[in-house]
Amino acid sequence: AQKVTQTQTSISVMEKTTVTMDCVYETQDSSYFLFWYKQTASGEIVFLIRQDSYKKENATVGHYSLNFQKPKSSIGLIITATQIEDSAVYFCAMREGHSSSFSKLVFGQGTSLSVVP
Amino acid sequence: EAAVTQSPRNKVAVTGGKVTLSCNQTNNHNNMYWYRQDTGHGLRLIHYSYGAGSTEKGDIPDGYKASRPSQENFSLILELATPSQTSVYFCASAYWGGEQYFGPGTRLTVL
Repeated sequence: AQKVTQTQTSISVMEKTTVTMDCVYETQDSSYFLFWYKQTASGEIVFLIRQDSYKKENATVGHYSLNFQKPKSSIGLIITATQIEDSAVYFCAMREGHSSSFSKLVFGQGTSLSVVP
Repeated sequence: EAAVTQSPRNKVAVTGGKVTLSCNQTNNHNNMYWYRQDTGHGLRLIHYSYGAGSTEKGDIPDGYKASRPSQENFSLILELATPSQTSVYFCASAYWGGEQYFGPGTRLTVL
C-alpha cells in the first residue's frame, strides 16, 4: 500500500533564507507522481509543483524546487528566498500508476512553515 | 477567476437533515473529487468521478452520496447529516491523473 510520511511537524525560518521540507514515500509501483501543495491560513489549498517518477531532472517552479532522491524514496521541497507569505502548511502527496489511469492521491500529514522577519 | 468554486462556503445543519454541497469547475477537467479535512486525519477522499454520470466511492463513503450531472458540476449529498460529519469539505478537479486543483472549501457544522 502506498504511504506518504512528513516527519517535520513544524519549521520556523528567517525571512529570505532557504528551507527544505522532507517527505518520504512508499510504493510498489514503478510509475508514480509526486506533488506538493500549500494550504494557507485561510484554508486555501494550492498546487505548487510536481515530479514524475520517470524524470531524472528535479522540477523547479519559481522559488520552489524539488530534491528527488529515488533510491531513498524521498522528495524534498526547497523554498529559496523565503517570504512572510510562504508561511503555511505544506503537504506532500503521491499518486501511483500511469498518467491516464486513476488512482487516489495519498497525502502526508503536512509540515507547518513559519517565516519570521 | 477561480476555476473551482464551492457553495455554500459555510453551512449549519441539524442532525437528520439533508445537506447538499455543490462544486463547479471551469477547468474542463474530467476527474473531480470530494475530500474532508479534519485535524489529525489530513485530507480523506469521500467520492470521486471520471466524468458526467459517473461516481465512485473513495476511502470514507459511508453516509455520503455524490452526483455528477455534467462535466462542470459535482455534488456531495448528506441524506441524514450527523454531528460526526462536521468538517471542512474540499472539492478538486484534475485532468486524468494530473495535479488536482482545489476549491476554497465548505465549512459544515452539524448540530
